[in-house]
Amino acid sequence: DQQVKQNSPSLSVQEGRISILNCDYTNSMFDYFLWYKKYPAEGPTFLISISSIKDKNEDGRFTVFLNKSAKHLSLHIVPSQPGDSAVYFCAASAGNNDMRFGAGTRLTVKP
Amino acid sequence: NAGVMQNPRHLVRRRGQEARLRCSPMKGHSHVYWYRQLPEEGLKFMVYLQKENIIDESGMPKERFSAEFPKEGPSILRIQQVVRGDSAAYFCASSPSGFSSYNEQFFGPGTRLTVL
Repeated sequence: DQQVKQNSPSLSVQEGRISILNCDYTNSMFDYFLWYKKYPAEGPTFLISISSIKDKNEDGRFTVFLNKSAKHLSLHIVPSQPGDSAVYFCAASAGNNDMRFGAGTRLTVKP
Repeated sequence: NAGVMQNPRHLVRRRGQEARLRCSPMKGHSHVYWYRQLPEEGLKFMVYLQKENIIDESGMPKERFSAEFPKEGPSILRIQQVVRGDSAAYFCASSPSGFSSYNEQFFGPGTRLTVL
């Protein structure tokens, strides 16, 4: 029962360009969404979040967009840097303890 | 500034043995969560604990798996009679209060369990 889907397992972007990572969800009860970044051999690190009352949240080079009608959110990184190369997980919660994660997208930023 | 600590980082067990995974939350955090990541999949919620209480174990397999978070010491995820399908990365996360407050969870580096 994959309620959070990241359909692109990998993404490759040139340094300085924009990276767009996508995430779709099926559960309309989800009202809080998060992006985590994970480097090899480390645990996921919180990156940015958005609640369902907003459609955009920005933090430096990172912006998350939420389209509730389409049940879609995206993470924009601009400009992309080689240090951004990691696996990015989308996560969603309905306000309970069960946070659902997508399978992740591996981002590679080429110098 | 110690983050969430997990040990061991790697654990190898033969089928039928027991696996014990430990998690020490960040200082000041009283809420612990365990997740499992199977190969090519995202993290799956297993259990949410507070000190001496299991709050939500809806993601935990009904048999062979148990978790505790005692008053003193780390949280323990215990897998009895391991099978090959238990091979995965197990992540622990902690937060200062319950997830319903939307506090971000801080993750440990994970324990990679391999069952031979």
